[in-house]
Amino acid sequence: DIQMTQSPSSVSASVGDRVTITCRASQGISSWLAWYQQKPGKVPKLLIYAASSLQSGVPSRFSGSGSGTDFTLTISSLQPEDFATYYCQQASSFPYTFGQGTKLEIK
Amino acid sequence: QVQLQESGPGLVKPSQTLSLTCTVSGDSISSGSYYWSWIRQPAGKGPEWIGRIYTSGSINHNPSLKSRVNISLDTSKNQFSLKLTSVTAADTAVYYCARDLGGYTVWGRGTLVTVSS
Repeated sequence: DIQMTQSPSSVSASVGDRVTITCRASQGISSWLAWYQQKPGKVPKLLIYAASSLQSGVPSRFSGSGSGTDFTLTISSLQPEDFATYYCQQASSFPYTFGQGTKLEIK
Repeated sequence: QVQLQESGPGLVKPSQTLSLTCTVSGDSISSGSYYWSWIRQPAGKGPEWIGRIYTSGSINHNPSLKSRVNISLDTSKNQFSLKLTSVTAADTAVYYCARDLGGYTVWGRGTLVTVSS
C-alpha cells in the first residue's frame, strides 16, 4: 500500500495567515492526489483534485501543487471557516489511501 | 443535484454481516462514467477506502479487508450496497458512500455502525 504522510499533524494559525500543509507519498503517484477539508461531525469536502485543480465552488485562496511524491496544500489568507482538519488522498493505485490528517486550529 | 443517502442497521453483533445501502437521487446510477464508492472513518481517525463499483459492475476493494467485502449495484432501484462479513469491533466506524469522479465530489451524510454484542 502507498503510505501518505502529512505534516504537520496540527498547526495553529491566525485569520489572515498563509498556511501550507505537506503530504508525502511513499512512492510516486504522479498527480493522482486530492485534498479534503473536514469539520467536526461533517462530511469531508473535496477541495483539490489532480494535485492542483480547484474543485468547483471552492474559494481561490486554496491551492495545491506537487507531483510524484511531494505535494502541498496552501491557504493564502486564512478565514474563520477554514479551521478544520485536512486530508490528502492518493488515487494512483489500489488501495486508495488517505493521510492521517492535519488539524488547523485557531491561534 | 445528485444526493446520496446511506441506510442500514446502526448496531451489528460481532461475527455477523454489516449491510448498508446507498440510495442515489438526482441522477441515474447507470449513467455517466462514475465510480460508486464506500469509505469509512473510525472515530478520531482518517478515512479508509473500502472499495468501489463502476457502472459496468467492475469492482475494486481494499485487500486489507480480504474477502469480507462485497459491493453490488442495483440499477433498478438506483442503489449500490456494501456487505462486510465477520465483523469485529475494529469495523466500528462512520460509513460513507460517495461518487468518485477524480475525487469524491458527492458524499452521503454517513451512518455510524457500531459492532457490539
